[in-house]
Amino acid sequence: GNSVTQMEGPVTLSEEAFLTINCTYTATGYPSLFWYVQYPGEGLQLLLKATKADDKGSNKGFEATYRKETTSFHLEKGSVQVSDSAVYFCALSVSGGSNYKLTFGKGTLLTVNP
Amino acid sequence: KAGVTQTPRYLIKTRGQQVTLSCSPISGHRSVSWYQQTPGQGLQFLFEYFSETQRNKGNFPGRFSGRQFSNSRSEMNVSTLELGDSALYLCASSLATGSKSSPLHFGNGTRLTVT
Repeated sequence: GNSVTQMEGPVTLSEEAFLTINCTYTATGYPSLFWYVQYPGEGLQLLLKATKADDKGSNKGFEATYRKETTSFHLEKGSVQVSDSAVYFCALSVSGGSNYKLTFGKGTLLTVNP
Repeated sequence: KAGVTQTPRYLIKTRGQQVTLSCSPISGHRSVSWYQQTPGQGLQFLFEYFSETQRNKGNFPGRFSGRQFSNSRSEMNVSTLELGDSALYLCASSLATGSKSSPLHFGNGTRLTVT
């Protein structure tokens, strides 16, 4: 079956620190990969995505590269801000014809202190 | 463009009761999916509707059901509520154009508490 494994949190960083959240996956077929972010009291927002090997998704200073050889999609940001404090979810989809069914990791809580 | 709207935001119900949650997708989106989010199990797929038909179903008991209307709005129903049904229920919509890179857009969820 399909599964996503994320590094367990919580992760606590100081402002301007470097962030890495590890994500590896197992999938039948060729998945699309996503990072979603959830702020307190809100739903999930798409942060970035990649649909094929070696693609790099990027948004708001966050980046992740689709590594087929290591089945990984690690999230990175060079300098985090307090406003980046949230829960981050790695997800994949292998649904044929659409990505309406996502498999999520457990989520990683990030807290950034001033 | 308005986002995905879920109502109500909060619900408190008693064991044994039933509940209906509502979701209005982004205009033009024809696919609506539902997810259950709990601290222990994380995010789990419930089901997905497209053009009023259920296309996919997750591994949940038959007490969980849904439907989609001709305007793409969707409802989810849970009957005979159990304490373990307490969760955040998230609705997501998608263009469902056939591209697996088309992302899901989530609402803010309905927080259901069963007492």
